[in-house]
Amino acid sequence: DTAVSQTPKYLVTQMGNDKSIKCEQNLGHDTMYWYKQDSKKFLKIMFSYNNKELIINETVPNRFSPKSPDKAHLNLHINSLELGDSAVYFCASSAGTGVYGYTFGSGTRLTVV
Amino acid sequence: QQQVKQSPQSLIVQKGGIPIINCAYENTAFDYFPWYQQFPGKGPALLIAIRPDVSEKKEGRFTISFNKSAKQFSLHIMDSQPGDSATYFCAARGGGAQKLVFGQGTRLTINP
Repeated sequence: DTAVSQTPKYLVTQMGNDKSIKCEQNLGHDTMYWYKQDSKKFLKIMFSYNNKELIINETVPNRFSPKSPDKAHLNLHINSLELGDSAVYFCASSAGTGVYGYTFGSGTRLTVV
Repeated sequence: QQQVKQSPQSLIVQKGGIPIINCAYENTAFDYFPWYQQFPGKGPALLIAIRPDVSEKKEGRFTISFNKSAKQFSLHIMDSQPGDSATYFCAARGGGAQKLVFGQGTRLTINP
């Protein structure tokens, strides 16, 4: 009974393609996040949604577009993929925008060739 | 600009030893300091967290020490086991920022 699930777990694609990563949480949380983990393991926030409203939009190329159809789902669409987009992308959720622990998914390893 | 600086990058300890991982921050508005544990192929998992109004928090074998004046906090793992081998991240949030900022991570290896 996975709390935060991401699909797919692995994604290998060619440069220039468009791809999506899906995330769903069954914790009843109202805030969801996308983090990028680079090859050096550094975790950097990309986006955050609270009750379907975008509240954090870090300096991310506009080729990345998040979408939250409801508060249990947060998807990430990436256009015109580049080699530098290769990373592990983590979805996370929390009970609110205040001081709450995050629950992370198991990640999507994106490899652009 | 790295808001939370973590050291060391990697650490090797013998079983039963006490690894210590340190973090320092600049933003005095931070009010929540969690530690996350990440195993290979998995997402980070919340291990323990502290608020700046206490100087120490223990949960099982894991202890956070917090020094507000020095703007530093650290994770101690008592009686470390090979199963504790993982990457550990400190993090911080607060000051109106609705996000966690993470340290660079420490790869911990506990040798049998």
